[in-house]
Amino acid sequence: DIQLTQSPSSVSASVGDRVTITCRASHGIGAWFAWYQHKPGTAPKLLVYATSSLQSGVPSRFSGSRSGTDFTLTISSLQPEDFATYYCQQASSWVAFGQGTKVEIK
Amino acid sequence: QVQLVQSGAELKKPGASVRVSCEASGYSFSDYFIHWVRQAPGQGLEWMGWLNPKSGATNFEQNFRGRVTLTRDTSVNTAYMELNTLRSDDTAVYYCASSYDYSDYGAFDVWGQGTQVTVSS
Repeated sequence: DIQLTQSPSSVSASVGDRVTITCRASHGIGAWFAWYQHKPGTAPKLLVYATSSLQSGVPSRFSGSRSGTDFTLTISSLQPEDFATYYCQQASSWVAFGQGTKVEIK
Repeated sequence: QVQLVQSGAELKKPGASVRVSCEASGYSFSDYFIHWVRQAPGQGLEWMGWLNPKSGATNFEQNFRGRVTLTRDTSVNTAYMELNTLRSDDTAVYYCASSYDYSDYGAFDVWGQGTQVTVSS
């Protein structure tokens, strides 16, 4: 099975800050990689699919990238509605989620 | 519109079973796998398994094999997740999800609203 190691587990940031979240895969994944935003009391929301493609309706301040087995979600300028927990996910071998990164108000 | 609607909250005793339903609408139910994901209090998202509504085939994350059953009724466009021999650590919100627009990439763009399952004596 492919394991995902997500970091950091939490980050404190201010509105306007650039935030970067990383997910490292234990093996090669190909394009079967996504990022989600999750807020309490709601269902997870797909942000990025196929490593770097933005889901329809997702603001352009979100972006995904990859270097080898390291995947990155970047929020270029944090907005008040972005405070949430973010998860990476792979579907190359079964399905697995990263441990989550909570983005908190500084 | 494309949506998944789940059944309501459940309170169960340890050792009992629970069945959660997930009704699909707005698309061809048989054409897209249904996945089940749960989130325990204070924990992250945990994938449980998938169901192929067309064939009824299923597959599970290792931790759930033997304790989870995934079924469907295509006449009512509904998938079911049954979890047996409940323990207190099965207390969680359970979601169904599907890759409607992104089945080629395994990304879940459609989610149910979640079902709270509480296991307590």
